Amino acid sequence: GESVGLHLPTLSVQEGDNSIINCAYSNSASDYFIWYKQESGKGPQFIIDIRSNMDKRQGQRVTVLLNKTVKHLSLQIAATQPGDSAVYFCAGGTTDSWGKLQFGAGTQVVVTP
Amino acid sequence: KAGVTQTPRYLIKTRGQQVTLSCSPISGHRSVSWYQQTPGQGLQFLFEYFSETQRNKGNFPGRFSGRQFSNSRSEMNVSTLELGDSALYLCASSRDRVGQETQYFGPGTRLLVL
Repeated sequence: GESVGLHLPTLSVQEGDNSIINCAYSNSASDYFIWYKQESGKGPQFIIDIRSNMDKRQGQRVTVLLNKTVKHLSLQIAATQPGDSAVYFCAGGTTDSWGKLQFGAGTQVVVTP
Repeated sequence: KAGVTQTPRYLIKTRGQQVTLSCSPISGHRSVSWYQQTPGQGLQFLFEYFSETQRNKGNFPGRFSGRQFSNSRSEMNVSTLELGDSALYLCASSRDRVGQETQYFGPGTRLLVL
């Protein structure tokens, strides 16, 4: 069935290093993907999105890569900072499917000094 | 610009009761979606409203219902509460359908059913 899943539940990264968070999806109809960051006690915060007609998109310190062939996307965070410690979710949807996003399980990113 | 607001932030209910949660979207946003977040199931889509009409619905029992008002504010109701309904309920809004406009989340309402 449809699913969006994450490979690793926890990622430990040293401050200043680059982080890579991976996500696999199963629904080939998904044409829109979003990465969210969720800190404890807060709702998910939008980081970056990408449409299926793109394979790469860059934001401030973040890059999302999309590989439609293997149904995989990743989020790269450059120069990881303590404030990046959070749970990161990938979510996928179709632009003709109102509101419905399917979320992965989440990856806990822990930034160590 | 104010973000998505949800009330109440915390709620404790007992089994069999019903509960109503409220969501005020970002000004100008017409789409409101609701999600349930639990440690075991993660984030699961409940339903989405646009211009007072339900456009999409997730796989939840009929005990879960919602509505949207003309000012885009939305409420969701859960009747005959069960222990498994304990969760963080998140509301998200966007100007238009997801995929065409970014969806922003509120802080959530944490519901505990005893």
